Amino acid sequence: NAGVTQTPKFQVLKTGQSMTLQCAQDMNHEYMSWYRQDPGMGLRLIHYSVGAGITDQGEVPNGYNVSRSTTEDFPLRLLSAAPSQTSVYFCASSYSVLGNNYGYTFGSGTRLTVV
Amino acid sequence: DAKTTQPNSMESNEEEPVHLPCNHSTISGTDYIHWYRQLPSQGPEYVIHGLTSNVNNRMASLAIAEDRKSSTLILHRATLRDAAVYYCILAYGGTSYGKLTFGQGTILTVHP
Repeated sequence: NAGVTQTPKFQVLKTGQSMTLQCAQDMNHEYMSWYRQDPGMGLRLIHYSVGAGITDQGEVPNGYNVSRSTTEDFPLRLLSAAPSQTSVYFCASSYSVLGNNYGYTFGSGTRLTVV
Repeated sequence: DAKTTQPNSMESNEEEPVHLPCNHSTISGTDYIHWYRQLPSQGPEYVIHGLTSNVNNRMASLAIAEDRKSSTLILHRATLRDAAVYYCILAYGGTSYGKLTFGQGTILTVHP
């Protein structure tokens, strides 16, 4: 298993550009989520999904869109990049069995700089 | 949303046990207690989680208070590779599972 794969690892955007951060997992996990981490801070939840076709907003959703058309993929779209979106982005996935929830597996992150 | 409180930093010596405390006085009945750690320039790594009972795995032990308002992550023998930021998190159970609310975490320094 590759786990949670995020691409690209690094990206520089100009203000106003749009892009999609990719996240894929091969563990058949139903739960997936996106976080951002600013320097010296903890992670903040952007959007999350509890299954294909179901998404919801987290703490800081403005400026980001998500969709979940398959179990494996959960892309994060930046609509019009702003310098305030300069951050490290992490994708994570998890699962439950018979009502018991399990720990999250995180990707290695995408470091995004908006100039 | 229920929050957790952790000390900003702790120090330990190599090969000694480390007890990392976490307070979560507003925890609800369906909240799981998760612990993750993050090394510099890496994504968070799952350590352990529990609901009501104490838990053990190959990495650590989790001691949960009887009223569930606090918990302690126990590293039985700290190594230099355990130096990281440790996050105690409440994960909403049931259909809302997917929302991990991270705090500032505890920076653990391990001395040789």
